[in-house]
Amino acid sequence: GAVVSQHPSWVICKSGTSVKIECRSLDFQATTMFWYRQFPKQSLMLMATSNEGSKATYEQGVEKDKFLINHASLTLSTLTVTSAHPEDSSFYICSARRLAGASYNEQFFGPGTRLTVL
Amino acid sequence: KQEVTQIPAALSVPEGENLVLNCSFTDSAIYNLQWFRQDPGKGLTSLLLIQSSQREQTSGRLNASLDKSSGRSTLYIAASQPGDSATYLCAVVIQGAQKLVFGQGTRLTINP
Repeated sequence: GAVVSQHPSWVICKSGTSVKIECRSLDFQATTMFWYRQFPKQSLMLMATSNEGSKATYEQGVEKDKFLINHASLTLSTLTVTSAHPEDSSFYICSARRLAGASYNEQFFGPGTRLTVL
Repeated sequence: KQEVTQIPAALSVPEGENLVLNCSFTDSAIYNLQWFRQDPGKGLTSLLLIQSSQREQTSGRLNASLDKSSGRSTLYIAASQPGDSATYLCAVVIQGAQKLVFGQGTRLTINP
């Protein structure tokens, strides 16, 4: 149990276009999901905390109008990179926090989405 | 501000050895600590979760300990195998917050 999926696993887009990434908890409900960004050979940088039914909380320095987050259900959060530019190219990873069962409050991570903006 | 440090940054050992990865954090007021594994180009796999009230957790060849008062955790890997090669990350959840604060990771290579 506790599987998190992301779609797509990789995407290549032209500069100026918008890209939507989905994060789903497949076998548990997650009122809170998290979006991270990871540059090569670096650790994860938290971008925002996504709460079901309310606005996301963004970390300092992350543009909320550029990285739109929607958490419409207990199993789905989406991250939309608007007007993407080459500097937005990165590995985006989501996680979901499990609130019930033996692994209470444990976070489970998706496989990541590789975004390349040309 | 909570800071998490992992030592060493990289480690290379021959197959079969037992090894220890270290993680330290500056603020002892944590809710829990998690150890993860990340393979190149992949997401994170949760290895062990230690709640703040616990001292250690075990899963197979892995054992993680937590000393909250000294701000330290160790991940012990017994009888290492080439398949254990990956980057290992530790992260803490601060009390009163939801988010994980990550260390920079230890890149582990097990040589056959």
